[in-house]
Amino acid sequence: GQQLNQSPQSMFIQEGEDVSMNCTSSSIFNTWLWYKQDPGEGPVLLIALYKAGELTSNGRLTAQFGITRKDSFLNISASIPSDVGIYFCAGPSEGYGQNFVFGPGTRLSVLP
Amino acid sequence: ETGVTQTPRHLVMGMTNKKSLKCEQHLGHNAMYWYKQSAKKPLELMFVYNFKEQTENNSVPSRFSPECPNSSHLFLHLHTLQPEDSALYLCASSQVSGRASRETQYFGPGTRLLVL
Repeated sequence: GQQLNQSPQSMFIQEGEDVSMNCTSSSIFNTWLWYKQDPGEGPVLLIALYKAGELTSNGRLTAQFGITRKDSFLNISASIPSDVGIYFCAGPSEGYGQNFVFGPGTRLSVLP
Repeated sequence: ETGVTQTPRHLVMGMTNKKSLKCEQHLGHNAMYWYKQSAKKPLELMFVYNFKEQTENNSVPSRFSPECPNSSHLFLHLHTLQPEDSALYLCASSQVSGRASRETQYFGPGTRLLVL
């Protein structure tokens, strides 16, 4: 079945640094979603991407839909302590439809 | 506030108890989902309801019983659970259109369940 891989699994950065993480798949996705989850809370949608090559920003966050449709990238600029959490990528299973596939997440820690 | 609410937020139950988790979405969506999230494991899809009909049961044990009385409400009935069922249970909703995918999924805050 479809699987999403995320890298890195975890990262520790200094406050103020920029962050890059990615999500890859062996199959094509027509939508890429990026979520952030704070401890003990549900994932919150950050950015949704619907078109290959699309670059979308949400404040300090920028995400890109890879040209091959098999990957996506999330960048965070000038990180702050509240960026701490787990970042998940996701996409509809089998291209279209009601089920979603989630990556295992990238755990971000921001050191003051 | 994502438009999806869950109650209770925390639940402790014994293995012989019966309890129910409730989810309500205020987004006008037509599909609702239950996920299980255990420590250090990816999100596990449990059930999917589309237009109030269950369309997915991801090999979930029968001690978990979903109910979707309408497109805005989703329940997860729990009975005779095991300690390994302790996890964060997340509800989500989406609008399934069947056309070129513009679908996104919105999550509730989750219910943290501890089975003793």
